[in-house]
Amino acid sequence: KQEVTQIPAALSVPEGENLVLNCSFTDSAIYNLQWFRQDPGKGLTSLLLIQSSQREQTSGRLNASLDKSSGRSTLYIAASQPGDSATYLCAVRPRLESGGSYIPTFGRGTSLIVHP
Amino acid sequence: DTGVSQDPRHKITKRGQNVTFRCDPISEHNRLYWYRQTLGQGPEFLTYFQNEAQLEKSRLLSDRFSAERPKGSFSTLEIQRTEQGDSAMYLCASTLGTGGRYSNQPQHFGDGTRLSIL
Repeated sequence: KQEVTQIPAALSVPEGENLVLNCSFTDSAIYNLQWFRQDPGKGLTSLLLIQSSQREQTSGRLNASLDKSSGRSTLYIAASQPGDSATYLCAVRPRLESGGSYIPTFGRGTSLIVHP
Repeated sequence: DTGVSQDPRHKITKRGQNVTFRCDPISEHNRLYWYRQTLGQGPEFLTYFQNEAQLEKSRLLSDRFSAERPKGSFSTLEIQRTEQGDSAMYLCASTLGTGGRYSNQPQHFGDGTRLSIL
């Protein structure tokens, strides 16, 4: 059974710092990995999607990397801003040869506070 | 593109009552997912539709839960005889499936329906 762990669970930093959020997964047979942002009381907003064949994806100040063999992904946030304050979740989709489950597995998220 | 919309945003009901939630996906998306999220946890998969066909159901989805997507557009999730443990945020997501069982398109989420059982 796939398990997804996100470390740290919570993070508080001053504005302007560069951040690294970690996501690890136990089964490396994945199809893709997706990073989301969730604001309090809201749904999830997709940030970056990395296919299993890719090493990284970038969008603005965000960069996500994937190392499938070690079961890790990192989300790098450059020059953090107070507006980046939210919970960041990663989700892993399994790769299946045939049949089986198609259920994506989410981590519990990292709660980020960026203070001015 | 108006995004995924869910209705109602909040639902408070007494234990034992039935509740129904609605999800309207992004119009061209053929795949629709329901998740449940409790405080401090990531979303847990409940069920998944491709067009009108319900293709997967989690073991979390007991026989008190039923989901439909009759015309392959909007979907409803009904919970019968609600229990305290059903209190959670119910999230809907949609995506455009490009073939086979896999989709390399990102999921787009609604803002959820928060259910509180008294």
